[in-house]
Amino acid sequence: GQQLNQSPQSMFIQEGEDVSMNCTSSSIFNTWLWYKQDPGEGPVLLIALYKAGELTSNGRLTAQFGITRKDSFLNISASIPSDVGIYFCAGHLGPPYGSGNTGKLIFGQGTTLQVKP
Amino acid sequence: NAGVTQTPKFQVLKTGQSMTLQCAQDMNHNSMYWYRQDPGMGLRLIYYSASEGTTDKGEVPNGYNVSRLNKREFSLRLESAAPSQTSVYFCASSEAGRFYGYTFGSGTRLTVV
Repeated sequence: GQQLNQSPQSMFIQEGEDVSMNCTSSSIFNTWLWYKQDPGEGPVLLIALYKAGELTSNGRLTAQFGITRKDSFLNISASIPSDVGIYFCAGHLGPPYGSGNTGKLIFGQGTTLQVKP
Repeated sequence: NAGVTQTPKFQVLKTGQSMTLQCAQDMNHNSMYWYRQDPGMGLRLIYYSASEGTTDKGEVPNGYNVSRLNKREFSLRLESAAPSQTSVYFCASSEAGRFYGYTFGSGTRLTVV
């Protein structure tokens, strides 16, 4: 089945540094999403991207939908201790709209981020 | 405003025992999903229900069954638990229309000994 390759697998950075992570696929996706998972909790949606080339920000987070539709990037600027967690990319094959949209997501393996104060 | 509620939060089973994981959402979402999370493997889809009355297999359905009891509830059953089913299980839901991604529950941590 489809797979998403997410890198890096883990990062250990100093507070205040910027962070970059990416996700690539052999398949084209119509929607890319980025989630964050805090320890002991379920993933929470950070950013959703719906168009190739789209660049979207949410506070210190910026994500881009790759032009080829086979990749996506997430950047975190000026990291803080509460950024610690696991970040997942996810790709959606179905259309962004419509009753035929089953909503099945394919997830990357996750990037574990640790921030040293 | 509870979102997606999963019970129990923790469970230990002996090999061969059965159990049902419960999930309920109060957001009037059409679609519901069960994923399992294992270290280094991300989240893998077990079963999903695109709408009330329908269920379909995902990537790793073997050893599991599901029931979409009504629009709110979607349960996952392990008939004869195996150590390979030790994992964290997440239920999620999504609305029809524009796809805004999932809302996840907080997970059930299952250990099979």
